[in-house]
Amino acid sequence: AQTVTQSQPEMSVQEAETVTLSCTYDTSESDYYLFWYKQPPSRQMILVIRQEAYKQQNATENRFSVNFQKAAKSFSLKISDSQLGDAAMYFCAYRSDFSGNTGKLIFGQGTTLQVKP
Amino acid sequence: EPEVTQTPSHQVTQMGQEVILRCVPISNHLYFYWYRQILGQKVEFLVSFYNNEISEKSEIFDDQFSVERPDGSNFTLKIRSTKLEDSAMYFCASSVGTGGREQYFGPGTRLTVT
Repeated sequence: AQTVTQSQPEMSVQEAETVTLSCTYDTSESDYYLFWYKQPPSRQMILVIRQEAYKQQNATENRFSVNFQKAAKSFSLKISDSQLGDAAMYFCAYRSDFSGNTGKLIFGQGTTLQVKP
Repeated sequence: EPEVTQTPSHQVTQMGQEVILRCVPISNHLYFYWYRQILGQKVEFLVSFYNNEISEKSEIFDDQFSVERPDGSNFTLKIRSTKLEDSAMYFCASSVGTGGREQYFGPGTRLTVT
């Protein structure tokens, strides 16, 4: 079974600085997707960024980028120029891509990010 | 922009009572999910639903749970006889497909069992 681990329960960053959130996962599959979701205090989860395992190039979305290391099974999220609105809980998630998969997401424990003004 | 909606936002019930949590997924989506998040813990998969049937369920999703898509728009989660440990935030999600397709989450229903 696949597992996702986020070893940093809490992180803090100064506004305008850069922060990296860590995520590792365990799987025997070769084809899968990885996601970072943001859950602000309003509780609704929002997709931040996704990475296809077959792509070597790291995904980027504006101030958000990932460092995907397939061999190491590591998938970290870098937030540049942190803003107060980035304060939230961040979840790393895994999704299989084998034929017939149901699309369920497997989540890590989450990292609470505090942004200090 | 289309969004997933859930009602009620907060439900308080007594142990042993039945509850129905309602979700309206995005209209052209085909895959539907329920997840649960106990306060302070990670989000856990409960069940996936496709083509009018359950496609996968977790070990949490026992005989006390059921899902239904009664009218082609609503997607409901029923807990027949609630327990204290069912207290959690329940999220509905929908997706147009699997693979890398985004799952869109609703705002959640906070269920409190007393």
